[in-house]
Amino acid sequence: ELKVEQNPLFLSMQEGKNYTIYCNYSTTSDRLYWYRQDPGKSLESLFVLLSNGAVKQEGRLMASLDTKARLSTLHITAAVHDLSATYFCAVDPNTGNQFYFGTGTSLTVIP
Amino acid sequence: NAGVMQNPRHLVRRRGQEARLRCSPMKGHSHVYWYRQLPEEGLKFMVYLQKENIIDESGMPKERFSAEFPKEGPSILRIQQVVRGDSAAYFCASSPLVNYGYTFGSGTRLTVV
Repeated sequence: ELKVEQNPLFLSMQEGKNYTIYCNYSTTSDRLYWYRQDPGKSLESLFVLLSNGAVKQEGRLMASLDTKARLSTLHITAAVHDLSATYFCAVDPNTGNQFYFGTGTSLTVIP
Repeated sequence: NAGVMQNPRHLVRRRGQEARLRCSPMKGHSHVYWYRQLPEEGLKFMVYLQKENIIDESGMPKERFSAEFPKEGPSILRIQQVVRGDSAAYFCASSPLVNYGYTFGSGTRLTVV
């Protein structure tokens, strides 16, 4: 079974600081998704990465994909409180049947 | 476009009762996926359906769980004789095409007491 590991699992950071969340996966795939989930809410799509070297940016978040290393990163720049949420990566192994989700990174941004 | 609609949002069942969770995909989406999220965990795949067909149910427990997506009407995830371990958030997602991104519904939080 495809394994998807995120780290860290918990992240507490001060406003204005930068940090990176890592997503490692165990099999070949060139499709990776990042989602945000607020407590008690559904998953909001943040980024879709569809090829090696893909980089997407939206506001203070930037995601990248290295399919050779089987690694995706989600970089947070100058964090603000509104970014506090749980972030999930999800890998599509190209079967079309299911995504494999990471365990999530719970981010808390402290004023 | 109303998005993916799930109901109910919250469902409380006593042990041994049946739970029925409904999902109406986005207009034009014929691919429906059900995922389960246990507290403090990521989402786990349960089943993938297209209209009237189960394509992949490899994530579904063999007993008590079933899913359908009829020609007319919403997709239904049915859990018979619920147990405490079934308490979780159940999310439905839909997609217009295979190998395309999902749109998630708001989920059904099932609590078994």
